[in-house]
Amino acid sequence: GEDVEQSLFLSVREGDSSVINCTYTDSSSTYLYWYKQEPGAGLQLLTYIFSNMDMKQDQRLTVLLNKKDKHLSLRIADTQTGDSAIYFCAESPMDSSYKLIFGSGTRLLVRP
Amino acid sequence: NAGVTQTPKFRILKIGQSMTLQCTQDMNHNYMYWYRQDPGMGLKLIYYSVGAGITDKGEVPNGYNVSRSTTEDFPLRLELAAPSQTSVYFCASSRDRSDYEQYFGPGTRLTVT
Repeated sequence: GEDVEQSLFLSVREGDSSVINCTYTDSSSTYLYWYKQEPGAGLQLLTYIFSNMDMKQDQRLTVLLNKKDKHLSLRIADTQTGDSAIYFCAESPMDSSYKLIFGSGTRLLVRP
Repeated sequence: NAGVTQTPKFRILKIGQSMTLQCTQDMNHNYMYWYRQDPGMGLKLIYYSVGAGITDKGEVPNGYNVSRSTTEDFPLRLELAAPSQTSVYFCASSRDRSDYEQYFGPGTRLTVT
């Protein structure tokens, strides 16, 4: 079955690194995604990683993928107050790659 | 480009009423989607469309209907609204099946009382 799980809440101090974790169950997933949702807005793609990669870095964002443990993480370096939002992990199954299976989201609060 | 637009932003319905949530995209995307987001939960796919005239059910289609007469528009119809349909509804689009990014609208917050 398809299921994506995330912790609900993370609080960090401004300038620290944030690490948001996600586990998924579908080993056939082709892409894994991180979406960001700011208050009152829709979701916006932050970054993604193809399932044959272990790591992807994009400016302050680092995505790590452990396929054996089906574990995905998003690290935000030098976290800013503007990073406060809900972060959703999502996977796309191989047999229907355009459908996204979302986790319940992790609310990141950045304290000044 | 306006991207994906949704109307209305907010709506309160009485039990048994009907309404249509509008969604329009101006990116000439073939694929369009409707999701609902319940409090503290991830998004669940209601219906999707791979092109004009073609629609299919997602995970939670009961109580909803869709149509896709044009590439741009993908309205979601609620018939006989129930309290269980209280949620935030998001419309999204993507270019085609190889496009990894879905573009989301700002959402419609619906309350059924």
